[in-house]
Amino acid sequence: EAQVTQNPRYLITVTGKKLTVTCSQNMNHEYMSWYRQDPGLGLRQIYYSMNVEVTDKGDVPEGYKVSRKEKRNFPLILESPSPNQTSLYFCASHAGVRADTQYFGPGTRLTVL
Amino acid sequence: QQQVKQSPQSLIVQKGGISIINCAYENTAFDYFPWYQQFPGKGPALLIAIRPDVSEKKEGRFTISFNKSAKQFSLHIMDSQPGDSATYFCAANPDSWGKLQFGAGTQVVVTP
Repeated sequence: EAQVTQNPRYLITVTGKKLTVTCSQNMNHEYMSWYRQDPGLGLRQIYYSMNVEVTDKGDVPEGYKVSRKEKRNFPLILESPSPNQTSLYFCASHAGVRADTQYFGPGTRLTVL
Repeated sequence: QQQVKQSPQSLIVQKGGISIINCAYENTAFDYFPWYQQFPGKGPALLIAIRPDVSEKKEGRFTISFNKSAKQFSLHIMDSQPGDSATYFCAANPDSWGKLQFGAGTQVVVTP
């Protein structure tokens, strides 16, 4: 089954404790993105990747890092989480240059105390 | 600031009624306008999409109307059903590798 998986689905942590949210897709897509979803703000792109070792900032990259060492995986790293990063995070992937149809993972709900 | 403005924030409609969600944009480089549907606890999924060379696209009970001159587009859900209860996001994509710009979302509740 074609899918995007994320882990963990839920995470409660404390300020400053480094964490990684994993994302994996089995569709051989070149393009992957991370979004955060906040009430009243919709989905905002954090980072995106056009291929292995090629990443670029989205609209809200501050406080986040990413890496793309393998085509299928695109982890999101919060090196020093803060409460304002409490949010619902989605990984997405798509084929081709145009982001016409993005396939989203099930989401990771992160709470930073 | 958000490049795609979506309204209303929430909507309650009776079963069998019509749900209407509106979106507006300013960037004339946008040339692809998808709508995503998100059920609680799930990621968004593509519902229907339109390009600006047509004014309307219909798929089952879902219709997108597009007004290029007004830079507005809307989603109509005809004969709304309780299973349509979800959050709907409009989005826009510029004519190049680009990032989908999402609206703020509309929570639709269809009452039995």
